[in-house]
Amino acid sequence: NAGVTQTPKFQVLKTGQSMTLQCAQDMNHEYMSWYRQDPGMGLRLIHYSVGAGITDQGEVPNGYNVSRSTTEDFPLRLLSAAPSQTSVYFCASSYSRRDSTDTQYFGPGTRLTVL
Amino acid sequence: DQQVKQNSPSLSVQEGRISILNCDYTNSMFDYFLWYKKYPAEGPTFLISISSIKDKNEDGRFTVFLNKSAKHLSLHIVPSQPGDSAVYFCAALKYNNNDMRFGAGTRLTVKP
Repeated sequence: NAGVTQTPKFQVLKTGQSMTLQCAQDMNHEYMSWYRQDPGMGLRLIHYSVGAGITDQGEVPNGYNVSRSTTEDFPLRLLSAAPSQTSVYFCASSYSRRDSTDTQYFGPGTRLTVL
Repeated sequence: DQQVKQNSPSLSVQEGRISILNCDYTNSMFDYFLWYKKYPAEGPTFLISISSIKDKNEDGRFTVFLNKSAKHLSLHIVPSQPGDSAVYFCAALKYNNNDMRFGAGTRLTVKP
């Protein structure tokens, strides 16, 4: 199993550009989520999905869109990038769709810089 | 508002000694707590967890203690090893609620 994979590893954008961060898992996990990590802030939940076709907002959803058309993939879209979105982004997945106490597996992260 | 706080950004201990990492929370609705470990350029990995119905959970060299009245938990690593050097995140959530809150992390350095 490859686990949770994220692409790209690094990305530099200009303000106003759009892009999609890719996340895929091959563990047949129902629950997937996106976090951002900023210095001094820990990880903050952006959006999550409890199964294909179902998504919901986390703590910091503004400026981001998600969709879940398959169990395996959970892309994160930035519609119009802003410098405040400079961060490291982590995707995570877990087996359970109802109880997020189930162990979450994290991808290696995408480091995004918005100029 | 930061509902989960790790007030020590860094901790340095000697190999073989005990490492104690601390975490405080403000939301009394939290009833499940986790510790994650993170190496540079990698994602966090799950280490150990504890439910609010317990006050202690052990897994090998790692023990987590929960003091609900003080809204405080701690992670003990005994004995500490150089490979334990990493950033440790405390996290908390409510059962059946997907909004997991993380602390800012503590960087542990274990010196040989």
